Amino acid sequence: DVKVTQSSRYLVKRTGEKVFLECVQDMDHENMFWYRQDPGLGLRLIYFSYDVKMKEKGDIPEGYSVSREKKERFSLILESASTNQTSMYLCASNTGGGGQHTQYFGPGTRLTVL
Amino acid sequence: AQSVAQPEDQVNVAEGNPLTVKCTYSVSGNPYLFWYVQYPNRGLQFLLKYITGDNLVKGSYGFEAEFNKSQTSFHLKKPSALVSDSALYFCAVRDPLGGGFKTIFGAGTRLFVKA
Repeated sequence: DVKVTQSSRYLVKRTGEKVFLECVQDMDHENMFWYRQDPGLGLRLIYFSYDVKMKEKGDIPEGYSVSREKKERFSLILESASTNQTSMYLCASNTGGGGQHTQYFGPGTRLTVL
Repeated sequence: AQSVAQPEDQVNVAEGNPLTVKCTYSVSGNPYLFWYVQYPNRGLQFLLKYITGDNLVKGSYGFEAEFNKSQTSFHLKKPSALVSDSALYFCAVRDPLGGGFKTIFGAGTRLFVKA
């Protein structure tokens, strides 16, 4: 059974803080993704990675960075948190290229920036 | 550009009745189409997908969806709704011509099933 875990279910941070969100998958998937979910907007892709140390910008990368030093771990970094980054953050992973493979999602981290 | 539309924010149905959650898409090539479900305070769970072949796709928990190329639709259906089906449903599309990494999600449709 594929398992994607995220380091925190709930986080509360102050404006200007540096925030780290961690994601780990246990299925040796090549691809990992970070999304944010906001009501009425669905999921929007922040960054994805198709291999260790490789990263690609998604649709809304501004204010975020990522790190993938090991295949199983993909970190999302908010360099200086702002209130408009209050959201639900979802990590996902899947295998291979070509696009037909299902994504597996973590339980999400609900981040509140005060 | 790829896009997905879920025209209904909310769908209400009585338990035992059939349900339909609508999805239309726009993509330049032949799409890969997905449905996911999200229960409260949980991540998304995969329900079903259309990649190629038979237009009627069967998935988890008795759900099915029909790929209609002429209408660019991929509506999710279930013959008999359960209260436990109440959740947020997302339709998603991927364009294989773009390398297949980017998935576009609809805004979501909240399904309420009343007992």
